[in-house]
Amino acid sequence: GIQVEQSPPDLILQEGANSTLRCNFSDSVNNLQWFHQNPWGQLINLFYIPSGTKQNGRLSATTVATERYSLLYISSSQTTDSGVYFCADNTNAGKSTFGDGTTLTVKP
Amino acid sequence: EAQVTQNPRYLITVTGKKLTVTCSQNMNHEYMSWYRQDPGLGLRQIYYSMNVEVTDKGDVPEGYKVSRKEKRNFPLILESPSPNQTSLYFCASSLIPGAEQYFGPGTRLTVT
Repeated sequence: GIQVEQSPPDLILQEGANSTLRCNFSDSVNNLQWFHQNPWGQLINLFYIPSGTKQNGRLSATTVATERYSLLYISSSQTTDSGVYFCADNTNAGKSTFGDGTTLTVKP
Repeated sequence: EAQVTQNPRYLITVTGKKLTVTCSQNMNHEYMSWYRQDPGLGLRQIYYSMNVEVTDKGDVPEGYKVSRKEKRNFPLILESPSPNQTSLYFCASSLIPGAEQYFGPGTRLTVT
């Protein structure tokens, strides 16, 4: 099956800084989804983005399916952005593969 | 409110004692799936269901069973739990396979 590699594995930022998280895929991307797992373990949907670019407030995401990667941009980071960010590939056949995540720590 | 619910949220049990974790969604979704998450790792798919009475193995199905008798429910069964099944379990659903998935709150299972 598809392999999903996320980078960087860990990221420490000062509040107000910008960051870019990346997902690389070993094969063609199907239906890409980004999540934020908060410190309480809850998985929060950020973007469902099979291709193209989407924006939601300070966050935006871009998926280039033909080049097998997706990027998540966080601007003007806040302490509440801390947590683990996951990308996942959802196939139409039912399989779903997650990356190992990027752990983001935003310091005040 | 549209949601995926799981019960129990926390469970401590002993090796070999059969248990069931329930999952229910109220969004009329066709697709449902179970995942486990271990420290430092992403979620790994255990089983998924494309529709009622249709289930299939994910990447880590050993030691688990599922059933999908009704569209809204997708229970996860551990017939004889072992300590290596200690993990955080998530249930998810989507309108159709491949569509945006919505996750339940998670069930933290400890097997001693």
